[in-house]
Amino acid sequence: GAVVSQHPSWVICKSGTSVKIECRSLDFQATTMFWYRQFPKQSLMLMATSNEGSKATYEQGVEKDKFLINHASLTLSTLTVTSAHPEDSSFYICSAYMVEQYFGPGTRLTVT
Amino acid sequence: DQQVKQNSPSLSVQEGRISILNCDYTNSMFDYFLWYKKYPAEGPTFLISISSIKDKNEDGRFTVFLNKSAKHLSLHIVPSQPGDSAVYFCAASIIQGAQKLVFGQGTRLTINP
Repeated sequence: GAVVSQHPSWVICKSGTSVKIECRSLDFQATTMFWYRQFPKQSLMLMATSNEGSKATYEQGVEKDKFLINHASLTLSTLTVTSAHPEDSSFYICSAYMVEQYFGPGTRLTVT
Repeated sequence: DQQVKQNSPSLSVQEGRISILNCDYTNSMFDYFLWYKKYPAEGPTFLISISSIKDKNEDGRFTVFLNKSAKHLSLHIVPSQPGDSAVYFCAASIIQGAQKLVFGQGTRLTINP
């Protein structure tokens, strides 16, 4: 149990376009989901906390207008990277909270 | 400001021996600590946790030790197995219940046959 999926697992997009990443809790409901990003050989950095039915809470330094988060249901949260640039290339991981955080497999975003 | 630090980026251990992974933190408000294991192209998997009211927690081959005065925790794996080869992250939380985690940089553990 406690499986979290992410889609897509990897995506390549051109600079200036937008990319949507989905995070789903498959066998449980999660009122809270988290979005992280990880640069090579660095730690997972929390970007934002997503609560179902309310606005996401962003960490300091994370642009909320660039990284749009929607948590429309108890099993789905989406992260949209708007007007992506090469420096947004990273590994994005979500987690869903149910007593503990259960992580998705991550999405590798490459912006060319 | 790296509040959780894993100073060893990599560690190599012979199969059957003990693996010791270390983690230091700076924020004295942290009261809940976790270890995660991560394989390439996968998300972290929860391994073991410890509350600040304890100094040791054991689960099978995995034991986590917490030294609050030194702001240091360690993960012991014994005996080490080839399947233990992965990147290990320690994480800390101010609120028990694992919300809003702060992660270390990770240590890549390689178990040699």
